Amino acid sequence: DGGITQSPKYLFRKEGQNVTLSCEQNLNHDAMYWYRQDPGQGLRLIYYSQIVNDFQKGDIAEGYSVSREKKESFPLTVTSAQKNPTAFYLCASRDPGTGIEAFFGQGTRLTVV
Amino acid sequence: RKEVEQDPGPFNVPEGATVAFNCTYSNSASQSFFWYRQDCRKEPKLLMSVYSSGNEDGRFTAQLNRASQYISLLIRDSKLSDSATYLCVVKSGANNLFFGTGTRLTVIP
Repeated sequence: DGGITQSPKYLFRKEGQNVTLSCEQNLNHDAMYWYRQDPGQGLRLIYYSQIVNDFQKGDIAEGYSVSREKKESFPLTVTSAQKNPTAFYLCASRDPGTGIEAFFGQGTRLTVV
Repeated sequence: RKEVEQDPGPFNVPEGATVAFNCTYSNSASQSFFWYRQDCRKEPKLLMSVYSSGNEDGRFTAQLNRASQYISLLIRDSKLSDSATYLCVVKSGANNLFFGTGTRLTVIP
């Protein structure tokens, strides 16, 4: 079945550590996105990529980095510079063919301990 | 001012009730509008797009009022399985999707 797979589902990080969240899709979608969701707030865009080897900062890119070496993969690294990393992270892709603007993975819940 | 604003609720309604959610948006140039459903601790999923003429999908009706810059979602004959958070989503420009904070609905037996 086609879809977006995020791993791990739950992630615990010590303060000062970098962690990488995985996002893989087999939908052949060009555009991929990373969002962060906090209680009481709407989803906020961290980074997006329209095509392989290209990505753009979203509204809250500070403390995060991404890469897009393959169409299928768009990993997000949460660096130690991110002051408040505990959140629910959602990866999404866009399917212009169906008009689905954001097709989400299952999410990764990151907790800093 | 936020791009998209929603009443966070919660809305607690009995089974069989009709419930309506509204959402307002600030950018008059916004082109596309959607309702997403998000279950607890899960990812959002597209419920329906919102078309200018209004559209219906079974018990769900979505409407758009461009003049007043709001969209609405009406759920008729509420089921227990409708309990979720409903996110209003507005697209402005090629890559700008703005999400509301969501309205939480609980349908009570």
